[in-house]
Amino acid sequence: DADVTQTPRNRITKTGKRIMLECSQTKGHDRMYWYRQDPGLGLRLIYYSFDVKDINKGEISDGYSVSRQAQAKFSLSLESAIPNQTALYFCATSDFFNTDTQYFGPGTRLTVL
Amino acid sequence: KQEVTQIPAALSVPEGENLVLNCSFTDSAIYNLQWFRQDPGKGLTSLLLIQSSQREQTSGRLNASLDKSSGRSTLYIAASQPGDSATYLCAVIVPQGGSEKLVFGKGMKLTVNP
Repeated sequence: DADVTQTPRNRITKTGKRIMLECSQTKGHDRMYWYRQDPGLGLRLIYYSFDVKDINKGEISDGYSVSRQAQAKFSLSLESAIPNQTALYFCATSDFFNTDTQYFGPGTRLTVL
Repeated sequence: KQEVTQIPAALSVPEGENLVLNCSFTDSAIYNLQWFRQDPGKGLTSLLLIQSSQREQTSGRLNASLDKSSGRSTLYIAASQPGDSATYLCAVIVPQGGSEKLVFGKGMKLTVNP
């Protein structure tokens, strides 16, 4: 079984809809991250969390919110989706003792029409 | 199979030096190449992205070059500062099943001493 899972894997939605992307991990890591990947812009950090009570903004947090429901779960929400949020979204994890190594989920492809 | 190598794994220099960080990749079939910075415990911060058709990109004191045919990229840091201390990662973006994936190097830990 995969250590880092993301649901859904693909989603098509309309402008203005609320969308939640979920990430779960079985690695027991305390740190979790959300990134988006765009052609021509590469990978960029949206939010990251050191533990359940710690949430930090990344490079491009505007238009997004997150929730760390448990150590193993970190969800990303788009309250009112817009077309330029169409991208590939990745969740990643790392642990306190080896923060240089991040383990990525398989990605969620989101299309906002 | 694409492999990305960064050598050396760590570098310690005095403040003010001009630095060259190296990245090599085994398969030239890439969409683009991206350099990241990682501060301890934090997520990756993107520094520069070079499209496969480009030769270089510049941002402030950073300049990245790409030679696809030889499978090499360099990140040049001018007049290094203690605040540049971090781990620097190189990643290539390659096609996979109608989409893309990133293949990362293991990173190079840079320490700039005051």
